[in-house]
Amino acid sequence: GENVEQHPSTLSVQEGDSAVIKCTYSDSASNYFPWYKQELGKGPQLIIDIRSNVGEKKDQRIAVTLNKTAKHFSLHITETQPEDSAVYFCAASDLVNYGGSQGNLIFGKGTKLSVKP
Amino acid sequence: NAGVTQTPKFQVLKTGQSMTLQCAQDMNHEYMSWYRQDPGMGLRLIHYSVGAGITDQGEVPNGYNVSRSTTEDFPLRLLSAAPSQTSVYFCASSHGGGVSRYTFGSGTRLTVV
Repeated sequence: GENVEQHPSTLSVQEGDSAVIKCTYSDSASNYFPWYKQELGKGPQLIIDIRSNVGEKKDQRIAVTLNKTAKHFSLHITETQPEDSAVYFCAASDLVNYGGSQGNLIFGKGTKLSVKP
Repeated sequence: NAGVTQTPKFQVLKTGQSMTLQCAQDMNHEYMSWYRQDPGMGLRLIHYSVGAGITDQGEVPNGYNVSRSTTEDFPLRLLSAAPSQTSVYFCASSHGGGVSRYTFGSGTRLTVV
């Protein structure tokens, strides 16, 4: 089945710097790759997602890139701010083991981002 | 407010007790799922449902049961709680399963002593 690996597990940056989180996936059939942000004591919230027919997507300070050949995708946050501090999860759709044509999301283990003022 | 509602927010159980974690959504989503979150382990899929009357197992289903009698509700039952089930549990829903955007609830923190 799908296996998603996420690196690094912790990341500390200075306010204003950029942050990059990388994920790899194993199932070449996966076609949907979202990123979630989880603040302390809350549930994960979607911040950006990308489908396999697109190589890059941007939303203000956040961007995601996808390399289907290498089976990896990355989250880029520019001009980081203290409120960006949170745990970030990447995920990939598992279309083989769970849920038939709809699949289920399989998550990476998370990256704790700390932005120092 | 539209979204996914989980109750209770916190629960302490004794080993061997049973309980039900509630999850309700008001977005008319066909798909619902339960994940557990443990330190360093990310979010692991317990059970999921693609519609009323249909449920199936995820990665870590042992010790848990689910049912889906309505589109809105997807309760998770712990049959005989064990300390290994101490975790934070999240319910999520979406229109189209793992190829569409999930909405998560705020979680239930469960401690089994």
